[in-house]
Amino acid sequence: EAGVAQSPRYKIIEKRQSVAFWCNPISGHATLYWYQQILGQGPKLLIQFQNNGVVDDSQLPKDRFSAERLKGVDSTLKIQPAKLEDSAVYLCASSSLTGKVNTEAFFGQGTRLTVV
Amino acid sequence: GQNIDQPTEMTATEGAIVQINCTYQTSGFNGLFWYQQHAGEAPTFLSYNVLDGLEEKGRFSSFLSRSKGYSYLLLKELQMKDSASYLCALRSRRALTFGSGTRLQVQP
Repeated sequence: EAGVAQSPRYKIIEKRQSVAFWCNPISGHATLYWYQQILGQGPKLLIQFQNNGVVDDSQLPKDRFSAERLKGVDSTLKIQPAKLEDSAVYLCASSSLTGKVNTEAFFGQGTRLTVV
Repeated sequence: GQNIDQPTEMTATEGAIVQINCTYQTSGFNGLFWYQQHAGEAPTFLSYNVLDGLEEKGRFSSFLSRSKGYSYLLLKELQMKDSASYLCALRSRRALTFGSGTRLQVQP
């Protein structure tokens, strides 16, 4: 079974530039998450999709971050314009069904973003 | 909201047993998960608890006490490759909320 695919693995941009990350979840997984992990901290949820609908985006800085999952499969996360504090690893994860309590989330390798 | 606390760092010796604690405050959750994350890699699932008690999985065991707001991950027969961060996470209806993680260093 293929895992969660993310690209690119690394990205360096200047502040005020824009950047986009792509994620393809495990086939058949209805739930997709984007997490931000700053060095030395645990992952922080940015947005959660169930199929192509947003379940939770309460911690997404909507003035600069946006995400979509148009066909309920792959997803993109965009930052525009980027700030220095956006430097982090952006992790995509997927799970099969949110309603089941023992549904683990499977993570991709992440995209390491450095804003200079 | 949810608040999850874990020790920042721990050190243990190869072959020993180590217990990593996690305390939490939450209005409700469905299950508690433990993930392992090696430096520069993605978190990988270790175990989960729904009911109070101990769940054993090879060298790893996890315990949950809902009444005390407390969980721990027990690692036995430590190996050098167990040096990693260990993340405690609560699953609610919506998502998985992570603590900051405990960085475990296994020494020879």
